[in-house]
Amino acid sequence: TQLLEQSPQFLSIQEGENLTVYCNSSSVFSSLQWYRQEPGEGPVLLVTVVTGGEVKKLKRLTFQFGDARKDSSLHITAAQPGDTGLYLCAGAGFSGSRLTFGEGTQLTVNP
Amino acid sequence: DTAVSQTPKYLVTQMGNDKSIKCEQNLGHDTMYWYKQDSKKFLKIMFSYNNKELIINETVPNRFSPKSPDKAHLNLHINSLELGDSAVYFCASSRLPGQPYINYGYTFGSGTRLTVV
Repeated sequence: TQLLEQSPQFLSIQEGENLTVYCNSSSVFSSLQWYRQEPGEGPVLLVTVVTGGEVKKLKRLTFQFGDARKDSSLHITAAQPGDTGLYLCAGAGFSGSRLTFGEGTQLTVNP
Repeated sequence: DTAVSQTPKYLVTQMGNDKSIKCEQNLGHDTMYWYKQDSKKFLKIMFSYNNKELIINETVPNRFSPKSPDKAHLNLHINSLELGDSAVYFCASSRLPGQPYINYGYTFGSGTRLTVV
């Protein structure tokens, strides 16, 4: 079974601060995704990273896939209250469409 | 307009009852899933169907039975509900993986919050 560990589990910061969320595994993934989930809604896909070492930017969010494709990070610059939510990483195996989700990081950005 | 729609949004029922949750997607995806999200927000896969065929069946009690009448619909029926079944259930859909092994990600419904009392 492939497991993904996210850290930190909870993060409460002030508006304008920077933060990084980590997603680690001992397994190799074919691709890795990040989702954001808001209360009362389902997770929404933010990005997919495929190549080891790949870096993708989405406005103030920077996603990186580890060289060995076992880990990933999400960095948010100048966080805003609208960034508040549950951030989930999810890894895809090498066969089929199955995703394994991490435990999530609950981010709260205070104004 | 909704890509993946689940009904009902909320479901409160007594122990021992039987209930169903319906899911429909209009994205033309081939694969659909049921996930359970517990109180700690952990998402765990329950079932996956690819074009009406069951392809993933995790260790889920027999009281849970998925049904896929066509590739756009995946329903979940639960018999003899127990207190521990209380959770949020998410339906999701996806395209088939591309090559090489590109996973295009899931589109989730907004969830069904099931409360068993």
